[in-house]
Amino acid sequence: DVKVTQSSRYLVKRTGEKVFLECVQDMDHENMFWYRQDPGLGLRLIYFSYDVKMKEKGDIPEGYSVSREKKERFSLILESASTNQTSMYLCASSQSGTGGSAFFGQGTRLTVV
Amino acid sequence: GQQLNQSPQSMFIQEGEDVSMNCTSSSIFNTWLWYKQDPGEGPVLLIALYKAGELTSNGRLTAQFGITRKDSFLNISASIPSDVGIYFCAGLYGGATNKLIFGTGTLLAVQP
Repeated sequence: DVKVTQSSRYLVKRTGEKVFLECVQDMDHENMFWYRQDPGLGLRLIYFSYDVKMKEKGDIPEGYSVSREKKERFSLILESASTNQTSMYLCASSQSGTGGSAFFGQGTRLTVV
Repeated sequence: GQQLNQSPQSMFIQEGEDVSMNCTSSSIFNTWLWYKQDPGEGPVLLIALYKAGELTSNGRLTAQFGITRKDSFLNISASIPSDVGIYFCAGLYGGATNKLIFGTGTLLAVQP
């Protein structure tokens, strides 16, 4: 069974803290994605990675960075958390080429106070 | 940012009714995906479509990949209360980097 695992279901952090959200997939997928989901705004792409150490900005990268040192792991970093980064964060992975599908983790609900 | 046009935004129906939702794009995709998301959970893949014109079923769900490759629809027949959730379409560009673009979602409420 395919599996994308996010390290935490719920996180509460203080304004200004550095926050790490971790995502691991066991499908040997080349591509990994980080989205945030807010009511009425759907899923917005923050960053994606198509190979180890490769990354591309999505639609809303400001305030975030990412790291992909190993194929199976993609980390989202909030350098200095702010209250407007309170959101549901979703990680996904997919295979390259035709015939690929994308699978999601269970999500991390982050609250910044 | 890029998002697909998904309609309707929400649907409130009675148990047993059929449901139809669709997604359109100005871009051509190689793959269309349909997901369902329950509250507080990540989206779960329902159906994947890989060829223009393809019609695929998964139980009471049927989805089609539009001939122009710029649209897709999802039908749910004989809805039941557990169909409640948010349904998303997604398009995958082909090639080396499969960027995944999402629709805005359709909220489905089913009254028993």
